[in-house]
Amino acid sequence: TQLLEQSPQFLSIQEGENLTVYCNSSSVFSSLQWYRQEPGEGPVLLVTVVTGGEVKKLKRLTFQFGDARKDSSLHITAAQPGDTGLYLCAGGPSNYQLIWGAGTKLIIKP
Amino acid sequence: DADVTQTPRNRITKTGKRIMLECSQTKGHDRMYWYRQDPGLGLQLIYYSFDVKDINKGEISDGYSVSRQAQAKFSLSLESAIPNQTALYFCATASQFGPQTQYFGPGTRLLVL
Repeated sequence: TQLLEQSPQFLSIQEGENLTVYCNSSSVFSSLQWYRQEPGEGPVLLVTVVTGGEVKKLKRLTFQFGDARKDSSLHITAAQPGDTGLYLCAGGPSNYQLIWGAGTKLIIKP
Repeated sequence: DADVTQTPRNRITKTGKRIMLECSQTKGHDRMYWYRQDPGLGLQLIYYSFDVKDINKGEISDGYSVSRQAQAKFSLSLESAIPNQTALYFCATASQFGPQTQYFGPGTRLLVL
């Protein structure tokens, strides 16, 4: 069974700090996606990475896919209260199903 | 207007009752999914469908059934609701092309008493 483990499960920091959350597996994924979910809403895609070693930037968010395509990280620079939410990673083992991590709940305090 | 809609948004029901959650999409996607979300457990796949004639069980299908009435509509039924089915339920769609980006509805919060 393919699993994705996210860490930390919960993170609360002050506005302006930097942070990194991780998504790890012992399995290889063809692609990896990061979603953000806000209370009362469904997850919304932030980014998809498909190549080992790939780095993508979305404003203050930097996403990296591991060289072996088994892990990924999300780094946020100078976090803002608007970054608060549940961050989910999802791996694509096939072309019809995603394997989901349990999520990192992030709170940015003003 | 939202691309993926779910009704109802909130529902309280009693043990043993049959309920239906509905999902509609305007994205033109063939693939549709039903998930449940519990705190600390992420998203668990209940059922998925690739087209009107295709229905597949996910990892936690027991106690649930689905119907794909049209390309745009995918409903989830709880035949006899039980308290441990209390959860947040999401419908999602995806294109058959590309890396399976999924587009989610706003969710249905279900409480089974």
